[in-house]
Amino acid sequence: GAVVSQHPSRVICKSGTSVKIECRSLDFQATTMFWYRQFPKKSLMLMATSNEGSKATYEQGVEKDKFLINHASLTLSTLTVTSAHPEDSSFYICSALSGRAWETQYFGPGTRLLVL
Amino acid sequence: DAKTTQPTSMDCAEGRAANLPCNHSTISGNEYVYWYRQIHSQGPQYIIHGLKNNETNEMASLIITEDRKSSTLILPHATLRDTAVYYCIVRYAGNNRKLIWGLGTSLAVNP
Repeated sequence: GAVVSQHPSRVICKSGTSVKIECRSLDFQATTMFWYRQFPKKSLMLMATSNEGSKATYEQGVEKDKFLINHASLTLSTLTVTSAHPEDSSFYICSALSGRAWETQYFGPGTRLLVL
Repeated sequence: DAKTTQPTSMDCAEGRAANLPCNHSTISGNEYVYWYRQIHSQGPQYIIHGLKNNETNEMASLIITEDRKSSTLILPHATLRDTAVYYCIVRYAGNNRKLIWGLGTSLAVNP
């Protein structure tokens, strides 16, 4: 299967700072990547859809100015949580859409963010 | 996307087959059934998907009923490492590539 990596795997930051999370497709080119957030014991919530070379499409209720998404290349998308607050603490997961048959989404290992 | 219904939790003995059901009674003809699983504190892992026919790969088998209103994921010989939350998702095979996640089935494989 296709491999997607995320960096960092865990991050702890102070309230008010910004945090950048990288998502890379390692062995395929991904024209579309997705960003999800998951709170404890809850299901995945789609935050935004990121297409290479264009602006991300955000889901209802997700602040685009707070969660900045950049998809500058076919193998890299970044999510920046700006002016993070404790309520932004969560598990952030990216996925990349393989252009192969069936267009299956492959997921990264996730990034655990803790805002103090 | 069609809504899916799964049992909240299931138990299975190690070495036995785990059969995870999913109802998707409102599925339309151009929607696929996808199965993912999520082991604690990890990203979801793709398992298998299908449209009409039964499918099998190295991880599991997918049995879809003839009317496509339900399906069953089969792990033929469950191991402790198969303990995870299993998600059944139906997705339109067109431009809308979103996956809408429910709460899934928490499978516990017991020794």
